[in-house]
Amino acid sequence: GAVVSQHPSRVICKSGTSVKIECRSLDFQATTMFWYRQFPKQSLMLMATSNEGSKATYEQGVEKDKFLINHASLTLSTLTVTSAHPEDSSFYICSARVAGVVPQHFGDGTRLSIL
Amino acid sequence: GQSLEQPSEVTAVEGAIVQINCTYQTSGFYGLSWYQQHDGGAPTFLSYNALDGLEETGRFSSFLSRSDSYGYLLLQELQMKDSASYFCEVNYGGSQGNLIFGKGTKLSVKP
Repeated sequence: GAVVSQHPSRVICKSGTSVKIECRSLDFQATTMFWYRQFPKQSLMLMATSNEGSKATYEQGVEKDKFLINHASLTLSTLTVTSAHPEDSSFYICSARVAGVVPQHFGDGTRLSIL
Repeated sequence: GQSLEQPSEVTAVEGAIVQINCTYQTSGFYGLSWYQQHDGGAPTFLSYNALDGLEETGRFSSFLSRSDSYGYLLLQELQMKDSASYFCEVNYGGSQGNLIFGKGTKLSVKP
């Protein structure tokens, strides 16, 4: 089956640090990748939709200058949390899909802790 | 705008049947998917409906009525391991991949 690899699985860093999270589709070409954030005991919240070669579309309330998304190839998208602060601590999950094909394939998530 | 509604929480006992509803208002419709997510884990795909009717996969079934803009996930013979969050997703953009996601329904299965 389709596999999505997300790295790293866990990050602990100091406030003010920028953190990059990678999302790779290992055995298929993903025309679209999605980035989600999930706070403890809450639902997944879509942050942005990223199509290969174009700018990401951010959901309302998500700061595009804070959460930089790059989708440079059909197999890789990155999310960079710039100047992270404790309130950015969360579980970040990516997913990938081929346009028009169901379902989304999710990565295992990255648990980000900002001290 | 696009919207999708599902209950936030549902509680049921082992062996019972539970139905999780999902209603949507979207500019288009190409299909409705269901995903399961256990605490601390990533979501996994459960089912997909593009046409009206019931799709059955083991203990889980999913139903769609496009005329009512409504679907549901039916879980039978509930087991403790079914305790998880379930969320529905609607594809309203076809090959363009426009998706809207529900906020998830937390299912708690009690002994």
